[in-house]
Amino acid sequence: GESVGLHLPTLSVQEGDNSIINCAYSNSASDYFIWYKQESGKGPQFIIDIRSNMDKRQGQRVTVLLNKTVKHLSLQIAATQPGDSAVYFCADDTGTASKLTFGTGTRLQVTL
Amino acid sequence: SAVISQKPSRDICQRGTSLTIQCQVDSQVTMMFWYRQQPGQSLTLIATANQGSEATYESGFVIDKFPISRPNLTFSTLTVSNMSPEDSSIYLCSVLFADTQYFGPGTRLTVL
Repeated sequence: GESVGLHLPTLSVQEGDNSIINCAYSNSASDYFIWYKQESGKGPQFIIDIRSNMDKRQGQRVTVLLNKTVKHLSLQIAATQPGDSAVYFCADDTGTASKLTFGTGTRLQVTL
Repeated sequence: SAVISQKPSRDICQRGTSLTIQCQVDSQVTMMFWYRQQPGQSLTLIATANQGSEATYESGFVIDKFPISRPNLTFSTLTVSNMSPEDSSIYLCSVLFADTQYFGPGTRLTVL
């Protein structure tokens, strides 16, 4: 089956800098995309989602960008904090988030 | 969002035995899901459990190994049967709530 993948397994960022986590997807029929944050020993936590009729969506300190032309998704975290250290997963679906396909994950390390 | 709890949070089991994991959500939901996440890896969907119908299993997962119950709109169980060390993993339940999947904290299973 088709899969969602991530470009970098580990990203190291200095506290206060902005972080950009990238994700490539392969299913051209995907129209729903979601980012999760998973801290050690916990379940994935919803961060932000976006549908294919949008190319940008903002939340609190986070922005998701969607480029359907090149099938690319990114998560931007502004003013990265130590509490942002976690593994970040992107996932996609062709409908209602009922059949998510997860990427491999990117570990974000925030250095002081 | 939906608040999800799982029991047990972790367990160590002997090979050949079975473990039943419980998932409770604080809202009524139609769709619940069970995932497996092996250490350091991404999430793999085991099955989708809708109340009032048989669970739908993904390729590579069978009902005899992972029987699922869904007795009402707020509860589900996953049983890992006849366990082997290869079943050591984190088992996560999630729910579809307001068109988004929310995850429980996971059950960390170690099989000796």
